[in-house]
Amino acid sequence: AQSVTQLGSHVSVSEGALVLLRCNYSSSVPPYLFWYVQYPNQGLQLLLKYTTGATLVKGINGFEAEFKKSETSFHLTKPSAHMSDAAEYFCAVSDSNQFYFGTGTSLTVIP
Amino acid sequence: DAMVIQNPRYQVTQFGKPVTLSCSQTLNHNVMYWYQQKSSQAPKLLFHYYDKDFNNEADTPDNFQSRRPNTSFCFLDIRSPGLGDAAMYLCATSVGGVGTEAFFGQGTRLTVV
Repeated sequence: AQSVTQLGSHVSVSEGALVLLRCNYSSSVPPYLFWYVQYPNQGLQLLLKYTTGATLVKGINGFEAEFKKSETSFHLTKPSAHMSDAAEYFCAVSDSNQFYFGTGTSLTVIP
Repeated sequence: DAMVIQNPRYQVTQFGKPVTLSCSQTLNHNVMYWYQQKSSQAPKLLFHYYDKDFNNEADTPDNFQSRRPNTSFCFLDIRSPGLGDAAMYLCATSVGGVGTEAFFGQGTRLTVV
């Protein structure tokens, strides 16, 4: 069975500070990992994904994530937070045609 | 632009009155999903179609049904909505196969009164 765990349901950072959102996965097979962002009353938008190859994945809006097999982690980072980054972030792992989402992390950016 | 479109964005229905939510896609994707998302929770998969093959999650209540008349459209029918069914309903599509991402619609916010 595949699953993801997001540590920290709420994260607050100051504008311009580093954003770090944590995700650990559990998978019996090589994982396919995703980060999605959700703004209020909107659907989910793909930020980035890891399938194979380079373990550092760059996404949209300046976000990136690093796949670390030894730590079973796929943490999301952004060097400098912007007010527009305030949203809910979901980590997910996929298994063929199913996606398993974490419980989400709500990011607040303090001006 | 190719996309996933959900209608309506907001739906109010009466307790026990059947309601249908719709989803269409212009991506020509094989897989279509319906998720239920309650406040501050992760999306919960209700069911998905791979082409015409219907896959129901084991814990999806019988009150929820789905139809996919063709590649482009998929419907979520709630036969007798209860107060606990108030949620955001998200439709998503995927090409299908390992490593492919899901594309989400804007969602339909269902209120049950």
